[in-house]
Amino acid sequence: SAVISQKPSRDICQRGTSLTIQCQVDSQVTMMFWYRQQPGQSLTLIATANQGSEATYESGFVIDKFPISRPNLTFSTLTVSNMSPEDSSIYLCSAGLAGGETQYFGPGTRLLVL
Amino acid sequence: AQRVTQPEKLLSVFKGAPVELKCNYSYSGSPELFWYVQYSRQRLQLLLRHISRESIKGFTADLNKGETSFHLKKPFAQEEDSAMYYCALWGYQKVTFGTGTKLQVIP
Repeated sequence: SAVISQKPSRDICQRGTSLTIQCQVDSQVTMMFWYRQQPGQSLTLIATANQGSEATYESGFVIDKFPISRPNLTFSTLTVSNMSPEDSSIYLCSAGLAGGETQYFGPGTRLLVL
Repeated sequence: AQRVTQPEKLLSVFKGAPVELKCNYSYSGSPELFWYVQYSRQRLQLLLRHISRESIKGFTADLNKGETSFHLKKPFAQEEDSAMYYCALWGYQKVTFGTGTKLQVIP
């Protein structure tokens, strides 16, 4: 298994600003992922964070809006840029073990944009 | 494209009654399917995966390729089973989650 921590746990931000969320894993993992979970909805994959190369984004998500870093096998960051109220959501980090298919999740970052 | 469907947003059962949470999937290859659970105020966690063919907390799930289903079952519901349950499919190097079913066990 893996233990995932995220910082911050929650934040309230002003429109137009940016927030960087950090994700730390207690062991080296090949695959890390970022999800968004809007109120009352399921998890939507934003991107796969690749170590040493650019993240792989899902349809509807772009690097300019959600830049991701993955400097090593235990750490990743997600930035939510130029925020609007529509970005208010819970952002989740996960680590994929084995071939990546078994996922362990962080506690989430609850973001409110005013 | 892959898709996971959970038709019930909310399922309410009495304590001791059987539980079945439905999950159907669409995937062109050979799927790997999972159930994740989120208890109140806790993080999302893996409950079980189909290739393990194990029973966790009394829950089982059988992959039915003919019906493209992976329903989660438990013969006797307990109050501590109340939670949000997500069916998930691993394919094309990513996990696709269903919309989730909230299980409410009534004492």
